[in-house]
Amino acid sequence: AQSVAQPEDQVNVAEGNPLTVKCTYSVSGNPYLFWYVQYPNRGLQFLLKYITGDNLVKGSYGFEAEFNKSQTSFHLKKPSALVSDSALYFCAVRDGPNDYKLSFGAGTTVTVRA
Amino acid sequence: EAGVAQSPRYKIIEKRQSVAFWCNPISGHATLYWYQQILGQGPKLLIQFQNNGVVDDSQLPKDRFSAERLKGVDSTLKIQPAKLEDSAVYLCASSLVAGMVETQYFGPGTRLLVL
Repeated sequence: AQSVAQPEDQVNVAEGNPLTVKCTYSVSGNPYLFWYVQYPNRGLQFLLKYITGDNLVKGSYGFEAEFNKSQTSFHLKKPSALVSDSALYFCAVRDGPNDYKLSFGAGTTVTVRA
Repeated sequence: EAGVAQSPRYKIIEKRQSVAFWCNPISGHATLYWYQQILGQGPKLLIQFQNNGVVDDSQLPKDRFSAERLKGVDSTLKIQPAKLEDSAVYLCASSLVAGMVETQYFGPGTRLLVL
C-alpha cells in the first residue's frame, strides 16, 4: 500500500526567504505525486503534480517541486515566500496507473512572517 | 467554471443522531469522491463513484455510513447513527475521469461536530 510522510508539522520562514516543504513517499509501482494547499475554512486547492517526465515540476503561485526517485522524495519549494503563502500543505501519492486511490500525508503548516 | 459545491458548511448534532451532506461536482466530471479529514490529519478516502457506480468503498464504515449518486451527478453522504469520533470535515472532490493523470478538485467541505 502507498503512503506519504511529511516529516515537519510546521515550517516557519521570513517573507522573501526560500520555502521548502518536505515529502517522502512509499509505493510499490510508479508514483504519481501531488501537492495541495488548504487555507482556513476552505477546501484543498491543487498546486502541482508529477506523473512522468522532467523531475522539476512547476505549478501555481510560483511553487515548484522536485521528484527524486532515489530518495523517494517530492519536496515543494518556492524561491521567495509571501505572507499569503501561510497555509496548510498536503502531499499526496497514487501507486501507479492501476490504483486511483489518493493517499495524503498529515500536512505541514507553513507560516510566513512579515 | 463553477467549482465543487457542498452543503451545509457546518453541522452540529448529538451522538446517535443522523446527518446528511450534499455535494454537486464540477459539471461534466464523471468521478466523485468523499473524504473524511479529522483534525490534524490528511484527508482519507471514504468512497469513490464513477458516474453512478461505486468504484471503491473499502474505507467506508458501512454499518453507519452510506452514500449514493443516483443520477451520476450530485451525491449524498449519510451518517446514521453518528458517533463522537465522526467529528471531522467531510470533503467532496471530483475529477473528469478516474484516470491516472486526472486532478481531483475539492469543495469547501462540511465541518461536522458530534456532541
